[in-house]
Amino acid sequence: LAKTTQPISMDSYEGQEVNITCSHNNIATNDYITWYQQFPSQGPRFIIQGYKTKVTNEVASLFIPADRKSSTLSLPRVSLSDTAVYYCLVGDVGAGNMLTFGGGTRLMVKP
Amino acid sequence: EPEVTQTPSHQVTQMGQEVILRCVPISNHLYFYWYRQILGQKVEFLVSFYNNEISEKSEIFDDQFSVERPDGSNFTLKIRSTKLEDSAMYFCASVDSETGGYTFGSGTRLTVV
Repeated sequence: LAKTTQPISMDSYEGQEVNITCSHNNIATNDYITWYQQFPSQGPRFIIQGYKTKVTNEVASLFIPADRKSSTLSLPRVSLSDTAVYYCLVGDVGAGNMLTFGGGTRLMVKP
Repeated sequence: EPEVTQTPSHQVTQMGQEVILRCVPISNHLYFYWYRQILGQKVEFLVSFYNNEISEKSEIFDDQFSVERPDGSNFTLKIRSTKLEDSAMYFCASVDSETGGYTFGSGTRLTVV
């Protein structure tokens, strides 16, 4: 399994764009990059997944450079409710594959 | 949006007692998981379940743990004799077979005293 490294914590203000970068130097050919969000006392929630280049959905964008050794989750115009822990996971996707969570990035959005 | 439902939301039990944590996965999903998260620590894989049997389990999932899908809708995690160190949030997840997309429940907070 590819090891991931992401900042332990980040602070931001409402309305700003937040970019959280994850390093995964040992990513394998079959691996996808998936980001989850977790609020206190709740289960992780899928945000976005990608393999290469850029993926965008209604919540976030995911930027993956050509070498795929890192990825950046971009949250546009954050609000207080985006305060959460964000996890970067790298691995083969499929219903039979377990998830391996790291420590995540604790994002604090301030007014 | 379909949800994974877990009950109870909070369970307090005495050390040595048996507990059963319940989950109702999304109806057309075939893969089910239990994860746990000790306060302030990482989310850890416990066990995966497919086709009415365990497909993979972690070192945490020892003989004190068991899982069951008793009636085609519920998915349960049983801890036979709880220890203080079993205190954690326990999350059930069901996975879409086509997309591999995980949906987690809101968890059961287990407190062993």
